Amino acid sequence: EVQLVESGGGLIQPGGSLRLSCAASGFTVSTNYMGWVRQAPGKGLEWVSVSYSGGDTYYADSVRGRFTISRDNSKNTLYLQMYSLRAEDAAVYYCARGHHSYSFDYWGQGTLVTVSS
Amino acid sequence: QTVVTQEPSFSVSPGGTVTLTCGLSSGSVSTSYYPSWYQQTPGQAPRTLIYSTNSRSSGVPDRFSGSILGNKAALTITGAQADDESDYYCLLYMGGGSWVFGGGTKLTVL
Repeated sequence: EVQLVESGGGLIQPGGSLRLSCAASGFTVSTNYMGWVRQAPGKGLEWVSVSYSGGDTYYADSVRGRFTISRDNSKNTLYLQMYSLRAEDAAVYYCARGHHSYSFDYWGQGTLVTVSS
Repeated sequence: QTVVTQEPSFSVSPGGTVTLTCGLSSGSVSTSYYPSWYQQTPGQAPRTLIYSTNSRSSGVPDRFSGSILGNKAALTITGAQADDESDYYCLLYMGGGSWVFGGGTKLTVL
């Protein structure tokens, strides 16, 4: 059974850093592209970043230069390192497994990031 | 900046049929955007319904179908049920490793 479990969210001050983790089971992250999607309170879904199995990474304009996506294949885990956090980065962050046709098929339950002083 | 447009809200009667659409602020949606659709109820993670325009994800009932209608992607729910009351999001692949979600449609079944 495919499962994705996010962790690492919490309360952080503006300008701070945080690393989110997404532990995968039931498949190997090394053979799939993986992504992060976020949802601010009361708002819609926003694509954040994707990591391809070949190493390429891509980011939404809103986070490029501040967020870094990475993976540890030995731990079957995806990460999102977030720097210079802003109030507008506050959201539930979902990890998702990429499907071969430019979509996402499995989702984690999300981890909440709150940015406030 | 390309904006993906969806109806903010829609209402359907139980047993009825509803079509939600997904367009672009500039241009037409085609299969080349690989439109996908996601259902989300409050407090829950998204659930994948449709990928690559019209392919149903595993376990999704066949009353959910996807298509291209005119210049938009479309999600049609046939025989709407009470538990279809959710938010629905489309996702378009914009190329170059970039995706954009639509703003979502809040579907009410009453």
